[in-house]
Amino acid sequence: AQTVTQSQPEMSVQEAETVTLSCTYDTSESDYYLFWYKQPPSRQMILVIRQEAYKQQNATENRFSVNFQKAAKSFSLKISDSQLGDAAMYFCAYTSQTSGSRLTFGEGTQLTVNP
Amino acid sequence: GAVVSQHPSRVICKSGTSVKIECRSLDFQATTMFWYRQFPKQSLMLMATSNEGSKATYEQGVEKDKFLINHASLTLSTLTVTSAHPEDSSFYICSAPERQGLWGYTFGSGTRLTVV
Repeated sequence: AQTVTQSQPEMSVQEAETVTLSCTYDTSESDYYLFWYKQPPSRQMILVIRQEAYKQQNATENRFSVNFQKAAKSFSLKISDSQLGDAAMYFCAYTSQTSGSRLTFGEGTQLTVNP
Repeated sequence: GAVVSQHPSRVICKSGTSVKIECRSLDFQATTMFWYRQFPKQSLMLMATSNEGSKATYEQGVEKDKFLINHASLTLSTLTVTSAHPEDSSFYICSAPERQGLWGYTFGSGTRLTVV
């Protein structure tokens, strides 16, 4: 079974600084998708960024970028120029066709942004 | 974009009663709906997967008779918590795969259930 691990329960960053959230996963498949979701205090799940495993190029979305290391099964999220609105719980997630499109989530990382 | 509307957003019920949570896909047909449960400061735990017109698939350890899932149409999936007890108090979230074959998911806004 696929597993997703986020080893940082909590992280903090100063406003305008950069922070990296870690995620590792375990799978025997070669074709899969990885996601980072943000869950603010409202608890609405918001997609931050996604990466297709077959793409070597790291995905970027404005201030958010990933470092996808397929061989190492690592998928970290970098947030640049952190803003107060970035404070939230961040979840790394995995899915594949063979998993029936089911998402497997990591434990989450609570990010605090200090003014 | 695709939207899943989830209601109610919060509900308080007495022990022993049943509560129904609805998730509607507003501008697309959701043939599949995933139901999650989330405890405070924890991750989302998949409870079951519903598919339109067929029986739901439950994850190991989830009581089928307590958490009744119905997916009678392409736009509506419901979760009924039967004979609720305080330990059923939690945050419940539904999610549907996005349309157009994109590998993404639309999440409902969640339901906070409190059983007293």
